[in-house]
Amino acid sequence: SAVISQKPSRDICQRGTSLTIQCQVDSQVTMMFWYRQQPGQSLTLIATANQGSEATYESGFVIDKFPISRPNLTFSTLTVSNMSPEDSSIYLCSALSPNTEAFFGQGTRLTVV
Amino acid sequence: QKEVEQNSGPLSVPEGAIASLNCTYSDRGSQSFFWYRQYSGKSPELIMSIYSNGDKEDGRFTAQLNKASQYVSLLIRDSQPSDSATYLCAVKVPGKSTFGDGTTLTVKP
Repeated sequence: SAVISQKPSRDICQRGTSLTIQCQVDSQVTMMFWYRQQPGQSLTLIATANQGSEATYESGFVIDKFPISRPNLTFSTLTVSNMSPEDSSIYLCSALSPNTEAFFGQGTRLTVV
Repeated sequence: QKEVEQNSGPLSVPEGAIASLNCTYSDRGSQSFFWYRQYSGKSPELIMSIYSNGDKEDGRFTAQLNKASQYVSLLIRDSQPSDSATYLCAVKVPGKSTFGDGTTLTVKP
């Protein structure tokens, strides 16, 4: 199956700053998604990254806080803006095509201090 | 009602026993069904996929699907301590995969 390279793997950030997480897939995929997962908790879908258009956000998530880009079929970024300690979490990107299962990047462990 | 529901955990079994994980889904248009394993601090990894009714076996893992009952399960035979992880059920419709909340399994030596 395809491989997603996600970076950074972890970061410690000051409150009020922003962090951009990148995901690069080694083949073209139809769909890319961004999830958040607190330790020991379930996956929470933040948004679907749409190629060439604005992302589709789930309830409770807004573009100003989590701007997403997807300039092509293999690459996407998620920015966590104006961070607070409540944003400390693991962020995961995922990709999906019609003939594949969903697969995940390695995750980014974010700590906001 | 959640789109994908898994039996609440945590589930604890002794080493060598059979672990049974269950999942129900609400969308009858669901076409593909997956089980992922997630170790603490790691991202989910696919361990089983099933697309048609019946059983599918892969080593110590058996996935079972019953579309009429909207039910999918995962059996782990001869459970090992290394099987201790959270298991996520995922259901796919065109353009989207929906995940359950996961069941945490602990296999005690």
